[in-house]
Amino acid sequence: AQKVTQAQTEISVVEKEDVTLDCVYETRDTTYYLFWYKQPPSGELVFLIRRNSFDEQNEISGRYSWNFQKSTSSFNFTITASQVVDSAVYFCALSERTGANNLFFGTGTRLTVIP
Amino acid sequence: NAGVTQTPKFQVLKTGQSMTLQCAQDMNHEYMSWYRQDPGMGLRLIHYSVGAGITDQGEVPNGYNVSRSTTEDFPLRLLSAAPSQTSVYFCASSYDPNPNTEAFFGQGTRLTVV
Repeated sequence: AQKVTQAQTEISVVEKEDVTLDCVYETRDTTYYLFWYKQPPSGELVFLIRRNSFDEQNEISGRYSWNFQKSTSSFNFTITASQVVDSAVYFCALSERTGANNLFFGTGTRLTVIP
Repeated sequence: NAGVTQTPKFQVLKTGQSMTLQCAQDMNHEYMSWYRQDPGMGLRLIHYSVGAGITDQGEVPNGYNVSRSTTEDFPLRLLSAAPSQTSVYFCASSYDPNPNTEAFFGQGTRLTVV
């Protein structure tokens, strides 16, 4: 069965600190896809990144970076020099080759950036 | 440039009432789905559709019906509302059912059943 675990329920950091959000997944599929979504206080879900199971390269996009490690089934998300606008709930999600585009979400991590 | 539109944004129902949450997308996406978001539980898939005329159950389908008569619309029906269905509901769509395709989400419908 598939499962996504985000053990950090809430994190608070002071502005300009770096913060890493953890995501651990379980799946029996050999082909799968991992996602991160951001849910700001306004409530909508914003797509941040997709990574497939064959691509373990880390990715950097501005202040955001993602570390995918198949050996530990983890797909962690780091925000460098955090800003107040980064305050949101962040969800990690998994889809499988055999499961259409159905997403399995973690329970989310609420990040609060204190000015 | 509407994307995925959900109506209503807020709704209060009495136990036993029925209602339909509307979802429409204008991107000609094949795949559409409904999720519910509950505190501490993330989002869970209710029903999904890989194309017009085709629907299937997700993780938590009980108490909900769907239909997909057109590509654009994917309404979610609550047959007899229960307090356990109090939640925020999100509709999503993607270009096709491939699992690597980005999903676009609506703004959500906050439903309270009293």
